[in-house]
Amino acid sequence: DAKTTQPNSMESNEEEPVHLPCNHSTISGTDYIHWYRQLPSQGPEYVIHGLTSNVNNRMASLAIAEDRKSSTLILHRATLRDAAVYYCILRHDMRFGAGTRLTVKP
Amino acid sequence: DTGVSQDPRHKITKRGQNVTFRCDPISEHNRLYWYRQTLGQGPEFLTYFQNEAQLEKSRLLSDRFSAERPKGSFSTLEIQRTEQGDSAMYLCASSLALAGANVLTFGAGSRLTVL
Repeated sequence: DAKTTQPNSMESNEEEPVHLPCNHSTISGTDYIHWYRQLPSQGPEYVIHGLTSNVNNRMASLAIAEDRKSSTLILHRATLRDAAVYYCILRHDMRFGAGTRLTVKP
Repeated sequence: DTGVSQDPRHKITKRGQNVTFRCDPISEHNRLYWYRQTLGQGPEFLTYFQNEAQLEKSRLLSDRFSAERPKGSFSTLEIQRTEQGDSAMYLCASSLALAGANVLTFGAGSRLTVL
């Protein structure tokens, strides 16, 4: 079973920020947190990953709690193309849960 | 490099037949993963290889499933005596396993329908 838990679904309005949470309370000290997303009828695609410090890339930001037991994927301005299922996984595990289905409303 | 390729994209078969899927990873990637995904669920881990060695196999995986990665390049996933419950999308992913990254690149998947 996956070692991460996420809400089943979230909604956002277009052009507003979205914060997608993930709990990974059993994470080990050397384990990386990865985020992927899956658009309809496609395979998952990589979004971002991190270890301890917050990370930014062109797609999103990753905020990691100080105790590393949770993390938050931040989409700064959601677009309709961001509607997808978002998964967080741990590098040592590589197991996916059901993810969070993000709906973006125009 | 065109990414991870999977073949066939779609396969319809009758119950009891054998099917084989092929995955061609990104050439410099040393790890290759197989996942299965059914509607509304996340990808379910099946197995993974590092080079040609199969390092982990899901305990939930039936003996009817076998995977190979000869020479550490492409991989095949074979399902023998298919059952209707095997109907799913079979996803392949590859990665370059380094100390920190191991970022997965997925193929588009092979959809299996067992009648």
